[in-house]
Amino acid sequence: SAVISQKPSRDICQRGTSLTIQCQVDSQVTMMFWYRQQPGQSLTLIATANQGSEATYESGFVIDKFPISRPNLTFSTLTVSNMSPEDSSIYLCSVQTSRDEQFFGPGTRLTVL
Amino acid sequence: TQLLEQSPQFLSIQEGENLTVYCNSSSVFSSLQWYRQEPGEGPVLLVTVVTGGEVKKLKRLTFQFGDARKDSSLHITAAQPGDTGLYLCAGAWGNYQLIWGAGTKLIIKP
Repeated sequence: SAVISQKPSRDICQRGTSLTIQCQVDSQVTMMFWYRQQPGQSLTLIATANQGSEATYESGFVIDKFPISRPNLTFSTLTVSNMSPEDSSIYLCSVQTSRDEQFFGPGTRLTVL
Repeated sequence: TQLLEQSPQFLSIQEGENLTVYCNSSSVFSSLQWYRQEPGEGPVLLVTVVTGGEVKKLKRLTFQFGDARKDSSLHITAAQPGDTGLYLCAGAWGNYQLIWGAGTKLIIKP
């Protein structure tokens, strides 16, 4: 298993601004994942972040809007850029084991006014 | 496109009742996982099933993987208010990504 922390836990932001979410893991992992989730609903994968390479984005998500950094094997950031109210959501990072099991951070609840 | 259909999407029952949540697909998965999520937290892994026909028990929760590894069920016996949460199934199919079900929001009323 892995212990994952995220910062901030929640934020309220103004339209047009950007927010960077940090994800810290207590062990070295190859892949980290960033998800978006509406309360009470399932997870939507934004991108997969590998250390030392560019993130791989899913359909509907682009690097200009959601730039990701992965400077080492224990840390990643996701930036939500030029925010609009439609970006209000819960953002989660996760890591995956060799058994394809994922461990999640507590999430960042973002509200855009 | 891989799909994992989860049902029901919402379930509200009285304490002490039994319930079953289903995840179905036309695709074969190498493994299937069940997660539970409470408000303000990330999903937490409950169990992974790998072998077709496999049954795993976790106290009052029983998980079953279909013989063909295309479907799975979660059965809760004598549900308690502490079982309230969002239940998610996720299938692994060989690449590094998981296919997620739509989730089941479960409310157990005391």
